[in-house]
Amino acid sequence: KQEVTQIPAALSVPEGENLVLNCSFTDSAIYNLQWFRQDPGKGLTSLLLIQSSQREQTSGRLNASLDKSSGRSTLYIAASQPGDSATYLCAVRPQSTDKLIFGTGTRLQVFP
Amino acid sequence: KAGVTQTPRYLIKTRGQQVTLSCSPISGHRSVSWYQQTPGQGLQFLFEYFSETQRNKGNFPGRFSGRQFSNSRSEMNVSTLELGDSALYLCASSRNRDRAGELFFGEGSRLTVL
Repeated sequence: KQEVTQIPAALSVPEGENLVLNCSFTDSAIYNLQWFRQDPGKGLTSLLLIQSSQREQTSGRLNASLDKSSGRSTLYIAASQPGDSATYLCAVRPQSTDKLIFGTGTRLQVFP
Repeated sequence: KAGVTQTPRYLIKTRGQQVTLSCSPISGHRSVSWYQQTPGQGLQFLFEYFSETQRNKGNFPGRFSGRQFSNSRSEMNVSTLELGDSALYLCASSRNRDRAGELFFGEGSRLTVL
């Protein structure tokens, strides 16, 4: 059974810091991995989608990497800003069930 | 281009009632999936529809059902509501039933059961 874990559960940093959020999954047979952000009481905003054949994706200050063999993905946020404060979720689509499995999320707070 | 639209955004029901939630996908998207988000269980997959057919289903009781119409709009229904059904219900759409496709989410429908 696929399990997805995100570490740390919460993170509070000053503005300007570079951050790394971690996502671990137990079954490496996945179609893809997607990173989302969720603001309080809101829906999910797609940040980056990494296909199983890819190693990384970049969008602006965000960079996500995927290492299927070790069951890990990292989301790198450069030069963090207060507007980055949100909960960040990773989700994998396992080949075994084809049902999207979400991690528990990392709650990020960036203070001025 | 309009995003995924969910209605209603907020609703309050009492135990035993039933509720219907609606989701309009992004124009041109044919796949719609539903998720339940609670503080205790996080985000859990409910079901997925493509071309009016349920393609996949999560581990929820039969009180949870859904359907998709020919215009790709989808509805989900929860009958005989229980307190534990209080949650944020999220709908996502993707262009095709491509397992590698990117998902786009709506703002959700927040259901409170009293």
